[in-house]
Amino acid sequence: EIVMTQSPATLSVSPGERATLSCRASQSVSSNLAWYQHKPGQAPRLLIYGASTRATGVAARFTGSGSGTEFTLTITSLQSEDFAVYYCQQYDNWPPLTFGGGTKVDIK
Amino acid sequence: EVQLVESGGGLVQPGRSLRLSCAASGFTFDDYAMYWVRQPPGKGLEWVSGINWKSGKMVYADSVKGRFTISRDNAKKSLYLEMNSLRPEDTGLYYCARDAIAGRPVYFYYMDVWGKGTSVTVSS
Repeated sequence: EIVMTQSPATLSVSPGERATLSCRASQSVSSNLAWYQHKPGQAPRLLIYGASTRATGVAARFTGSGSGTEFTLTITSLQSEDFAVYYCQQYDNWPPLTFGGGTKVDIK
Repeated sequence: EVQLVESGGGLVQPGRSLRLSCAASGFTFDDYAMYWVRQPPGKGLEWVSGINWKSGKMVYADSVKGRFTISRDNAKKSLYLEMNSLRPEDTGLYYCARDAIAGRPVYFYYMDVWGKGTSVTVSS
C-alpha cells in the first residue's frame, strides 16, 4: 500500500498571503496524484489531477507541482473561500487508492 | 446538473448490516467507474471501495474486505454499498463519488463528482 503523508497538519495563513502544502508518497506514484479541497458540510472538490492540471473551473491561484514522491499545492493570494482542508490522493497503484491525512488551512 | 445523492445511513448496532444507496443524475452513469469514500468523525478521507463501469471489477480497502460489497445497477443509475458485520470503527460520513475518466476505462483514477454524504453510526 502506498502511504501518503501531508504536511503540515495545520497551516495558518493571512488572507492575501501564499500557502504551500506538501504531500509525500512512500513510493513513486509518477504524476498520478490529485488534490481536493474539502469544506465542512460540503462535498469534496477536485482541484488538481495529473499532479499539475487544474480541474475545470479551478482558479489559477491554485498550482500543483511535483512528481515521483514529492508534491506541492501552492495557493497564491489566499481568498476567504480557500480556508478549508486539502487532501492529496494517489491513483498510481491500487487497491487501495490512498489519501493523505489532510492539511487544514485556517485564518491567521 | 451532474448530481450524486446518497441515502440509507443511520444508527446501527455492532454486528448488524446496512445498505447505502447513491442515485446519479445528469450524466451517462454506465460510462464511469464509481466509488465509496468515508470520513470518520474528526478524521480525514478514507477510500472504501470502487467498481468499474460494468461491475466486472470491484476493489476494496483491507479494512472492509469480506464485510462490504459494492454493486451498481446501470439501468437505475444507482450505486450501492452493502455493509455487513459492522464495527464501531465503520462510523462516519459515507460519500459516493464518480471517477473522473469517462469512456469505460479499465483502471481507477480520481474523483471529480461527489455527493454530500450519508451518515453511518455503529454503536450499541
